[in-house]
Amino acid sequence: QVQLVESGGGVVQPGRSLRLSCTASGFTFSTYAIHWVRQAPGKGLEWVSLISYDGSDKHYADSVKGRFTISRDNSRNMLFLQMNSLRAEDTAMYYCARDRIPPSRLDYWGRGTLVTVSS
Amino acid sequence: DIQMTQSPSSLSASVGDRVTFTCRASQTITNYLNWYQQKPGKAPELLIYAASTLQSGVPSRFSGSGSGTDFTLTISSLQPEDFATYYCQQSYSTPRTFGQGTKLEIK
Repeated sequence: QVQLVESGGGVVQPGRSLRLSCTASGFTFSTYAIHWVRQAPGKGLEWVSLISYDGSDKHYADSVKGRFTISRDNSRNMLFLQMNSLRAEDTAMYYCARDRIPPSRLDYWGRGTLVTVSS
Repeated sequence: DIQMTQSPSSLSASVGDRVTFTCRASQTITNYLNWYQQKPGKAPELLIYAASTLQSGVPSRFSGSGSGTDFTLTISSLQPEDFATYYCQQSYSTPRTFGQGTKLEIK
């Protein structure tokens, strides 16, 4: 069965860095684009980033552009989100989600990993 | 960027009611519109994609319609497990913006 498992969350001070991982199983990871979506406590969903199936195409929300970097390792079925210069407003649950096309839709989600940015 | 606006922000209803949620895009997105359901403490789940196609395994009491800029999600007869928050998301272009959500509560 399709599974996505996020890891790497935790408490980090403002200005520091954190790297999230998403480990996929149950499907051919290298043929799917993957997204990161976050949700601040008590708030709605915010789209963060997207990487194409082969890693050649990447997109970011304006709120994280220049600070976050999405990448993937298809040989290990893993997705990453390198988060630099973290701010309090980056505090959120971070989900990875598989993009099923066509048309694009997020058909499987992980359970999320919580990032808390606080001094 | 395309802005997605959902209405209402919250809705109270009873088991057996028919309810409709609205999602409006700031520019045309043809039918590149998805709906998700999220229950407290859980990840979102895909309900409907391409505005009106039911995701596999989703009960037929859920339906979606619309194209261009205006879309609706309808639940024909509310069940206890349907009380949750519902989000629309456009997949027409990046950033892939979500609406702010509609929270469906028990009356």
